[in-house]
Amino acid sequence: QVQLQESGPGLVKPSQTLSLTCTVSGGSISSGSYYLNWIRQPAGKGLEWIGRIYASGITNYNPSLKSRVTISADTSNNQFSLKLSSVTAADTAVYYCAREAAFFDFWSGNQYYGLDYWGQGSLVTVSS
Amino acid sequence: DVQMTQSPSSLSTSVGDRVTITCRASQSISNYLNWYQQKPGKAPKLLIYAASSLQSGVSSRFSGSGSGTDFTLTISSLQPEDFATYYCQQSYSTPYTFGLGTKVEIK
Repeated sequence: QVQLQESGPGLVKPSQTLSLTCTVSGGSISSGSYYLNWIRQPAGKGLEWIGRIYASGITNYNPSLKSRVTISADTSNNQFSLKLSSVTAADTAVYYCAREAAFFDFWSGNQYYGLDYWGQGSLVTVSS
Repeated sequence: DVQMTQSPSSLSTSVGDRVTITCRASQSISNYLNWYQQKPGKAPKLLIYAASSLQSGVSSRFSGSGSGTDFTLTISSLQPEDFATYYCQQSYSTPYTFGLGTKVEIK
């Protein structure tokens, strides 16, 4: 059974860098076929996609955050990480890591992607 | 970015009712549309992918339909454990985007 677990400081000061790690168990992140994503959710609000990394190291970021975001992978420890720089109170949220699986449709020949395993979420508060 | 618009934002309903939630994309996304269920304090759970394919282990009372810009999530007979917030998400292009959610509440 695949499990993901976020870890990192729950409190970050304004202008500093938020750093979170997601540890994956039940499967190797270097086995390919999966993107590993970060998503966040401010209290009482909707979900915002931050970005993702593939096993090869290829990354995609949300343009709204791109200048401040770095996602990296540590295959030796089966972890991937999020760094968000120059944080403000607007970055206060629950941060989720999630695995993005590929689903192949035989009839159409198309491949579809969905976030099938999620961590439990890590609340990060930006405050002095 | 592809904008996703969900309606209604909330609805009050009863156990056993049929529930329909709508999601509209700002451009055609073919059938690259996922639905998630989120309960308070929990991570979202994938229900439907590719607009109409049921994720493994998800109850068959959930179904999805649509293509292009208009999509629907239907719960055939609402059960107590289905009271939650539901989100649509497009996987057509990055940045992935979500609808603002539909909260299904007990009447």
